[in-house]
Amino acid sequence: DAKTTQPPSMDCAEGRAANLPCNHSTISGNEYVYWYRQIHSQGPQYIIHGLKNNETNEMASLIITEDRKSSTLILPHATLRDTAVYYCIVRVLYNQGGKLIFGQGTELSVKP
Amino acid sequence: NAGVTQTPKFQVLKTGQSMTLQCAQDMNHEYMSWYRQDPGMGLRLIHYSVGAGITDQGEVPNGYNVSRSTTEDFPLRLLSAAPSQTSVYFCASSRDKNQPQHFGDGTRLSIL
Repeated sequence: DAKTTQPPSMDCAEGRAANLPCNHSTISGNEYVYWYRQIHSQGPQYIIHGLKNNETNEMASLIITEDRKSSTLILPHATLRDTAVYYCIVRVLYNQGGKLIFGQGTELSVKP
Repeated sequence: NAGVTQTPKFQVLKTGQSMTLQCAQDMNHEYMSWYRQDPGMGLRLIHYSVGAGITDQGEVPNGYNVSRSTTEDFPLRLLSAAPSQTSVYFCASSRDKNQPQHFGDGTRLSIL
């Protein structure tokens, strides 16, 4: 599974869009980009995933560049409850054990 | 629908004691896994199971045993606890190993 690079921390004003970047320059063709978040003291929560097309669900949007070397998670209207550590994970769909490799993530602070 | 339930939420053990961390899911998921999370580090896979009667090792299996006698339950056993096993333990499940995983809220284990 390819490695990812994320900024260690970001701030966002409440009500504004939060754009969280992720670099995955060594991604291969059969690897998906997953995003999870972990709110303090809770288990990780799945947000969204994609292969090469942009994806949107009720929580967020995922924008993947055409060369697939980077992606951006967008929370369109951040709230205080979105304060969490966000993990970008690159994963082969049929990798051994279904393992998710969590890096250090980005600590997002949403401020009033 | 309770999702993934982990018990206990907190536990303190003495070195050499044994204990079982419980994990149960009510979503009829085939895939279940155990991760540990240490301060400043991402989650690391301990053991996983792709269905009842089938288990395999993750990246940090030493000191831990698992079994999967039913679809719903996936207990993690520490046979002889060591201080290095002080950690937060998360259980996760998904329909199969390629689907997004749902996590429990964790068991915080301290070994003195």
